[in-house]
Amino acid sequence: DSGVTQTPKHLITATGQRVTLRCSPRSGDLSVYWYQQSLDQGLQFLIQYYNGEERAKGNILERFSAQQFPDLHSELNLSSLELGDSALYFCASSVAGGRDIQYFGAGTRLSVL
Amino acid sequence: GNSVTQMEGPVTLSEEAFLTINCTYTATGYPSLFWYVQYPGEGLQLLLKATKADDKGSNKGFEATYRKETTSFHLEKGSVQVSDSAVYFCALSERSGNTGKLIFGQGTTLQVKP
Repeated sequence: DSGVTQTPKHLITATGQRVTLRCSPRSGDLSVYWYQQSLDQGLQFLIQYYNGEERAKGNILERFSAQQFPDLHSELNLSSLELGDSALYFCASSVAGGRDIQYFGAGTRLSVL
Repeated sequence: GNSVTQMEGPVTLSEEAFLTINCTYTATGYPSLFWYVQYPGEGLQLLLKATKADDKGSNKGFEATYRKETTSFHLEKGSVQVSDSAVYFCALSERSGNTGKLIFGQGTTLQVKP
């Protein structure tokens, strides 16, 4: 058990809908990262938050947004969903950033029908 | 930009065989390098890491050496077990801006048969 909790484990929804994925980092970790794993794109970095502030952005679509709350949990919001958004979304956390080890949650599998 | 390239899978081996999974990277500066493993239905787990040239990371019988001259970080294990069957990801962490974001290779599936 990595100590990173993601909910829900599975999400099935329709095109055009909006969903929210939740991540609770390990106790004491200030950084949260979101990654998308899909068959065609592989594992891609989406966004990082550090202590409530956005620190780095990857290839995150404009339809996607994230935030980190004062209790350090994070949410990834995906809107106007398309079939191609179906993927496994991972959250990871680390103490700070830089070269700190990232610990991954079990992921949320999103299926857009 | 920075990138990681891994050998194509799947790799199928018999138990107790020698394993090598090749990984090369392209990066500016001096990234940290990692191997992560993903067992079926689970998230990624850190297997080993190296933070500077000639460092050797090791864990659970797996080893990888940070080779700056060949920009490589090949994963090796002398004798694989059925329980090693998983997907292995090579990754680098950019140092610029203290972001820590990971750039992953495409993953290599390892299947070990008894």
